[in-house]
Amino acid sequence: GAGVSQSPSNKVTEKGKDVELRCDPISGHTALYWYRQSLGQGLEFLIYFQGNSAPDKSGLPSDRFSAERTGGSVSTLTIQRTQQEDSAVYLCASSLAGVASYEQYFGPGTRLTVT
Amino acid sequence: GDSVTQMEGPVTLSEEAFLTINCTYTATGYPSLFWYVQYPGEGLQLLLKATKADDKGSNKGFEATYRKETTSFHLEKGSVQVSDSAVYFCALKRAQAGTALIFGKGTTLSVSS
Repeated sequence: GAGVSQSPSNKVTEKGKDVELRCDPISGHTALYWYRQSLGQGLEFLIYFQGNSAPDKSGLPSDRFSAERTGGSVSTLTIQRTQQEDSAVYLCASSLAGVASYEQYFGPGTRLTVT
Repeated sequence: GDSVTQMEGPVTLSEEAFLTINCTYTATGYPSLFWYVQYPGEGLQLLLKATKADDKGSNKGFEATYRKETTSFHLEKGSVQVSDSAVYFCALKRAQAGTALIFGKGTTLSVSS
């Protein structure tokens, strides 16, 4: 079946512009995660959605970052006023639920370059 | 806070060599432990997992045993292949629902023929 998809695959933007990154999770997966993969920091958690519960935003690095999940499915990560340090690969993952042992399935990522 | 430490790479091996990538963790309670792999140009894939002490996860010839006494989850393979060249990430997830994966920094493995 279809896996997690993300768009765009690559995004180059100028410093100060806003960007939107999209994630389509696997159908039926109620848990959705955003992570960031950068050279200096490795893989970092950003935000977590589970069903209709309030999202866990504890990993968002600044108030320039926000995310929403519409209808319990598609999610959009928005970065406002991008900075060069935002350059990274943004990964989305989904799982059946937030239970510890449930596998998280990762999308291919969006590579963001801020010039 | 919870954390994962894995050996720095790159690790360079010849085909059929024995592989060990060390991983230790710090966590309260009883987390689940994972190894993820990222092949060149591809996304992260789960390689294996273990959910309780003394469990052994295995897949594609790779193995790792959840050692609570040493807080370790070392990845091993008896005979690596060129196709195993990738970046390997050790990760943990706390037992509470709704917690994200905490990853190590990743170890790059390069296998030559």
